[in-house]
Amino acid sequence: QQQVKQSPQSLIVQKGGISIINCAYENTAFDYFPWYQQFPGKGPALLIAIRPDVSEKKEGRFTISFNKSAKQFSLHIMDSQPGDSATYFCAAPKRNAGNNRKLIWGLGTSLAVNP
Amino acid sequence: DTGVSQDPRHKITKRGQNVTFRCDPISEHNRLYWYRQTLGQGPEFLTYFQNEAQLEKSRLLSDRFSAERPKGSFSTLEIQRTEQGDSAMYLCASSSGTSGGDTQYFGPGTRLTVL
Repeated sequence: QQQVKQSPQSLIVQKGGISIINCAYENTAFDYFPWYQQFPGKGPALLIAIRPDVSEKKEGRFTISFNKSAKQFSLHIMDSQPGDSATYFCAAPKRNAGNNRKLIWGLGTSLAVNP
Repeated sequence: DTGVSQDPRHKITKRGQNVTFRCDPISEHNRLYWYRQTLGQGPEFLTYFQNEAQLEKSRLLSDRFSAERPKGSFSTLEIQRTEQGDSAMYLCASSSGTSGGDTQYFGPGTRLTVL
């Protein structure tokens, strides 16, 4: 049961273009939505995150758009560069016993930015 | 650099052998997580510590797996009688657990190959 659904599975963008990755979630208790970037052979690195009290957050070329009513959030990468080629994961923390905030992950989007 | 560190980075072992991985979280982070990631998939939660207490274990964690965090600082993950299906990247993450401390910071991972 996929609680965080991510699309597309793969994406090819030309240098300078806009990359858009979408995620939909089911659990309305989720209250924090991070995006992670992962290069081959490396651990995931936090890219940008948003809380549901705002509809948009921008950091440099990266923007998260959040639609609470639709239970969707998306990552926009402006002016995409070849160095952005990586796998991107959306995630949401699920609160369990002992205040565990384990992350529930999307399946990932493999982004390739052509020079 | 005071990020999360993991050791070893790579481990090749024969089926049936025992292996142990170590994770050093960001200092003063009281929450520590272990995840497993296979190729083309997002990380899957394995277990969670708050200080030295192991508060949750995934059903993915069979009896062959054991994790400890004896002094609430570094953690070890041991796999006994390894199987080929254990081949994966084992990721450790830590977070501060304070208000707003949802961000999990990941280490570089330990890639396990079971022959």
